[in-house]
Amino acid sequence: AQSVTQPDIHITVSEGASLELRCNYSYGATPYLFWYVQSPGQGLQLLLKYFSGDTLVQGIKGFEAEFKRSQSSFNLRKPSVHWSDAAEYFCAVGISGNTPLVFGKGTRLSVIA
Amino acid sequence: DTGVSQDPRHKITKRGQNVTFRCDPISEHNRLYWYRQTLGQGPEFLTYFQNEAQLEKSRLLSDRFSAERPKGSFSTLEIQRTEQGDSAMYLCASSLESFPDTQYFGPGTRLTVL
Repeated sequence: AQSVTQPDIHITVSEGASLELRCNYSYGATPYLFWYVQSPGQGLQLLLKYFSGDTLVQGIKGFEAEFKRSQSSFNLRKPSVHWSDAAEYFCAVGISGNTPLVFGKGTRLSVIA
Repeated sequence: DTGVSQDPRHKITKRGQNVTFRCDPISEHNRLYWYRQTLGQGPEFLTYFQNEAQLEKSRLLSDRFSAERPKGSFSTLEIQRTEQGDSAMYLCASSLESFPDTQYFGPGTRLTVL
């Protein structure tokens, strides 16, 4: 069965610094990959997704992610973090394109001045 | 596009009571998913519908959990004889019937069982 690992439970960055959140998946074929963000007590907002094609995908709020098949990774990046980016970030994988998503446990991002 | 809505946003109940949650998907979306999220975890899939057909329900946590989508529009998730372990956030998502699909989530219903 497919699985998703987010190795970092909690990351703290300074406002204006760059950010990289790690995501590794386990699945034999090419998965469909997603990053969602969740503010406290709220639902999940889609940041970006990878289905096929260009392995560097752009999302909302200045985020991007790169799919690396050789490393089974789909890391999320942002060049300059804003205080409003503080939230929980979830990586998710889908297979066959129309099945339920499998989520990682999330990475909590704190932003300090 | 008004987004996925869920009602209620918060529910506090006593152990042994039944609860029902409602989800209204984005209007043109014919797929609807239910997930559960406990503290410190990612969402965990429970069940999903395509139109009114429930295509997967083996992942419902026990026979106390049931879901319906009678007319292929809104859906309800019922938990009977609630237990303290049922305390969690219950999330609903919807998507178009496309391949692959993109799921859009509602704000969730926070259940607390006392």
